[in-house]
Amino acid sequence: GAVVSQHPSWVICKSGTSVKIECRSLDFQATTMFWYRQFPKQSLMLMATSNEGSKATYEQGVEKDKFLINHASLTLSTLTVTSAHPEDSSFYICSARRGPDEQFFGPGTRLTVL
Amino acid sequence: KQEVTQIPAALSVPEGENLVLNCSFTDSAIYNLQWFRQDPGKGLTSLLLIQSSQREQTSGRLNASLDKSSGRSTLYIAASQPGDSATYLCAVIGNQFYFGTGTSLTVIP
Repeated sequence: GAVVSQHPSWVICKSGTSVKIECRSLDFQATTMFWYRQFPKQSLMLMATSNEGSKATYEQGVEKDKFLINHASLTLSTLTVTSAHPEDSSFYICSARRGPDEQFFGPGTRLTVL
Repeated sequence: KQEVTQIPAALSVPEGENLVLNCSFTDSAIYNLQWFRQDPGKGLTSLLLIQSSQREQTSGRLNASLDKSSGRSTLYIAASQPGDSATYLCAVIGNQFYFGTGTSLTVIP
């Protein structure tokens, strides 16, 4: 099956710093990737849709200047949390689309902001 | 906007029991529905994908059904095992994935 990786799997940072999370499709090309956030005991909420070579589309209520998304190649999308604060602590999961009906999910990144 | 609800939120059963997890959604105009398993602190593992033209899918001890007209899907787990303990998420697939809030399953040895 298709594999999507995320790096790092967990990160702890100080308030005010920026953190970059990578999402890679290892064995297929993905023109579209998605970023989700999951708070404890809650479901996944779509943050943004990342399109290769163009700007990301953000869901309502998600600050595009805070959550910077770059999809520079067909196998890599990055999410940068800028000036992170404790309320940004969450589990971030990416997915990559292969074909119209298939999405494959990464293992997630646990972000803790102190 | 599509809303997806899962009932119950938590379920605890003794090993060997058969069980049913429920998923309901408000907008029947969907492409597919997918069931996932999520272990604590981990990503999603796809269990079953039901296309909108299908009524059910089976994989091993798992059987998922879909009734678009009533906006419901069920995941049936036969002969539950302690290793089945996890959170089960359903996702309704339209123009994006809409996830339910999940059912936390504990199978007691």
